[in-house]
Amino acid sequence: GESVGLHLPTLSVQEGDNSIINCAYSNSASDYFIWYKQESGKGPQFIIDIRSNMDKRQGQRVTVLLNKTVKHLSLQIAATQPGDSAVYFCAETFGSARQLTFGSGTQLTVLP
Amino acid sequence: ETGVTQSPTHLIKTRGQQVTLRCSSQSGHNTVSWYQQALGQGPQFIFQYYREEENGRGNFPPRFSGLQFPNYSSELNVNALELDDSALYLCASTDVGDEQFFGPGTRLTVL
Repeated sequence: GESVGLHLPTLSVQEGDNSIINCAYSNSASDYFIWYKQESGKGPQFIIDIRSNMDKRQGQRVTVLLNKTVKHLSLQIAATQPGDSAVYFCAETFGSARQLTFGSGTQLTVLP
Repeated sequence: ETGVTQSPTHLIKTRGQQVTLRCSSQSGHNTVSWYQQALGQGPQFIFQYYREEENGRGNFPPRFSGLQFPNYSSELNVNALELDDSALYLCASTDVGDEQFFGPGTRLTVL
């Protein structure tokens, strides 16, 4: 079935460097995409979202890029900090129920 | 904090038993969705309730059922528990927009 997938299961970056987490999606009907951060023992925390009529959206230290041609989503984190260490999920949604379809996640580790 | 609460935090059951998990949605949110997250995986959509009616269901068997109450709180019931039901169960609430606010989850272990 259609699902959201991630290219890399783990990513290690030096503190202060920029991080890029990638995601591929396969459902062309998806019209809303979200990045979540999940720390151990907690529920997913909203980071940033983007609708299918946009290519780029910026937040505080985070940027999401959407390439609908190749069905690719990325999350850029500027000046990565130790507190950014977590599992990051991309998710897509479509249909009337707006159910979220998640990828399997990328574990981001920030090295001192 | 999202304002979504779940109870209990942890739960241990044996195979064949039944379990009820509870969720209190964020104030004003009339839609609740439930997700199952197996260890090392992304959450999977179970079902959604909108104004006390089921409004969508994922690929889960009928022994997964739910309720939503007039105050928009919700329950997830699982009958005839199987070992593979061991997971983190998340609920998320939303209002008119698309953003879903997740609770901390209930960790269910089936022995």
